[in-house]
Amino acid sequence: GQQLNQSPQSMFIQEGEDVSMNCTSSSIFNTWLWYKQDPGEGPVLLIALYKAGELTSNGRLTAQFGITRKDSFLNISASIPSDVGIYFCAGRPSGTYKYIFGTGTRLKVLA
Amino acid sequence: DGGITQSPKYLFRKEGQNVTLSCEQNLNHDAMYWYRQDPGQGLRLIYYSQIVNDFQKGDIAEGYSVSREKKESFPLTVTSAQKNPTAFYLCASRGGTGEDTGELFFGEGSRLTVL
Repeated sequence: GQQLNQSPQSMFIQEGEDVSMNCTSSSIFNTWLWYKQDPGEGPVLLIALYKAGELTSNGRLTAQFGITRKDSFLNISASIPSDVGIYFCAGRPSGTYKYIFGTGTRLKVLA
Repeated sequence: DGGITQSPKYLFRKEGQNVTLSCEQNLNHDAMYWYRQDPGQGLRLIYYSQIVNDFQKGDIAEGYSVSREKKESFPLTVTSAQKNPTAFYLCASRGGTGEDTGELFFGEGSRLTVL
């Protein structure tokens, strides 16, 4: 099945630094979703995007729906230790109600 | 509280046995989904249902079966035909209506281990 290309796969950063990650697809998407997952738990929705070019914030998190509709970006500003976890993007291709997930970005924050 | 409830959280199964994972939602959502997650991997779609009494295969449906007899319930059966069933199973429901909306909300997951 189709999967999104998500990068980076993992990253270590210092507390207070900004973080960026992105997802790309070969097909056009109508919806982009960003999630955070802690070990042994279900993913928690962070941000939802529905229009090309849309820029949406949720506290220190900001995500954008790429203008080509084939990519999306998530930024975390001033990271803190509780930001540790795995971040997933998910997209819904045009004409379908299937949601496809990226392979995840594992974030580790060094205090 | 509104949400998605999965049970059991942990389940052990002997080879050759079928097992059914429960998923119940009280969000009044029409659409429900089942995903499988393997260690260090993303989520892969097993089955999804847009409405009661209707469901479609996802990317890895072989060895699984579902039913959607009630709007709030979408149980998943892992059959003996599934060659590698040990995994973390996640149920989700979709809010919003129409082509351009829809946020996917997840339960807490069920971890299945085959002994």
